[in-house]
Amino acid sequence: DAKTTQPTSMDCAEGRAANLPCNHSTISGNEYVYWYRQIHSQGPQYIIHGLKNNETNEMASLIITEDRKSSTLILPHATLRDTAVYYCILRRRETSGSRLTFGEGTQLTVNP
Amino acid sequence: GAVVSQHPSRVICKSGTSVKIECRSLDFQATTMFWYRQFPKKSLMLMATSNEGSKATYEQGVEKDKFLINHASLTLSTLTVTSAHPEDSSFYICSASLQPRNTEAFFGQGTRLTVV
Repeated sequence: DAKTTQPTSMDCAEGRAANLPCNHSTISGNEYVYWYRQIHSQGPQYIIHGLKNNETNEMASLIITEDRKSSTLILPHATLRDTAVYYCILRRRETSGSRLTFGEGTQLTVNP
Repeated sequence: GAVVSQHPSRVICKSGTSVKIECRSLDFQATTMFWYRQFPKKSLMLMATSNEGSKATYEQGVEKDKFLINHASLTLSTLTVTSAHPEDSSFYICSASLQPRNTEAFFGQGTRLTVV
């Protein structure tokens, strides 16, 4: 699976939007962009995924650039409970949903 | 969403002993489960793929005789750390999907192993 690059850490004020970038310049045509997060000392939690269209669910929005070389996860109204490590992961369609290659992720800290 | 449960959540054992960690899919059947390990301030690293009714597949560098995996039913996979040493102290996490090719992975809450 292609590699992703994320900032090591980010801060966000409570109630504001958190925009987490991810670069994946070597992404293949059959690779999806997935986002998971891990709150301290817990197992990871699925957030959202997409192929080339922008996606939105109850947790977040995913914006993928037209060339698919980067994406942004948006938490529209961050709360203190959103403080976590956020992982941007690429997964090929034929790969099992649970077989994931985690990078270092972005530590998001939401401040009061 | 589907629920994956691990037990125990924390365990402390003495060097040289073995520890078994259970991973259960509570409301779905999982023919395949995955085991990850996470050291402090590090990312998750895939250890092995647990296959129901057959041998587990281990990632390069993971000792199969040290980390025994059994997947005897469609809802239970176990990881046994044999002859544990302090360097085996880590956070162990399992995951499963509703179907082999399904989009979303569900993770257990993790097991914190401390070997003293």
